[in-house]
Amino acid sequence: ETGVTQTPRHLVMGMTNKKSLKCEQHLGHNAMYWYKQSAKKPLELMFVYNFKEQTENNSVPSRFSPECPNSSHLFLHLHTLQPEDSALYLCASSLGENQPQHFGDGTRLSIL
Amino acid sequence: GQQLNQSPQSMFIQEGEDVSMNCTSSSIFNTWLWYKQDPGEGPVLLIALYKAGELTSNGRLTAQFGITRKDSFLNISASIPSDVGIYFCAGQLISSGSARQLTFGSGTQLTVLP
Repeated sequence: ETGVTQTPRHLVMGMTNKKSLKCEQHLGHNAMYWYKQSAKKPLELMFVYNFKEQTENNSVPSRFSPECPNSSHLFLHLHTLQPEDSALYLCASSLGENQPQHFGDGTRLSIL
Repeated sequence: GQQLNQSPQSMFIQEGEDVSMNCTSSSIFNTWLWYKQDPGEGPVLLIALYKAGELTSNGRLTAQFGITRKDSFLNISASIPSDVGIYFCAGQLISSGSARQLTFGSGTQLTVLP
């Protein structure tokens, strides 16, 4: 059983909708990450938070807005998404930014 | 940016056979990680390597950190059906207490035939 929990597991939304993805880690880690996983492509890092502070924004479009209220929770707020944003969105956490990352099972997002 | 070439992209093997896959990088890393991802799940960490030349085992899995620090391989011995999945390598460069982002390979899709 994963120590990183993501909800929802599946999400279908229209291009004009607003939704949020949630990630919670029960591992006592201090760093949390959002990745995008598309078919046949390497995992793409989107955002990194360390002790609730954003330390990396990998040139992600503003229609993706992260929020990290504490070291255990990470959100990804979505609005006005495009069809090419359909993908598996993975959350990960690590004790520190130089420690191995542990992943959740992802949210499968489909944009209609 | 940094790139990882992971090969092969896919493998079909008979149950009981050994498997080998590898990753090469255009630049050096001081950490190599190997993950496995099953359908509908997130990647699970298999082995972490922190030192050039390091050889580490986890059950039937063995991984090595290349001495050039630009490559790593993963071996699976005596494959079984539950080894099916996508295997990812990932490299990270850590210096002066700060860590650059993890760079992932494109994955090796492993199919084990009965």
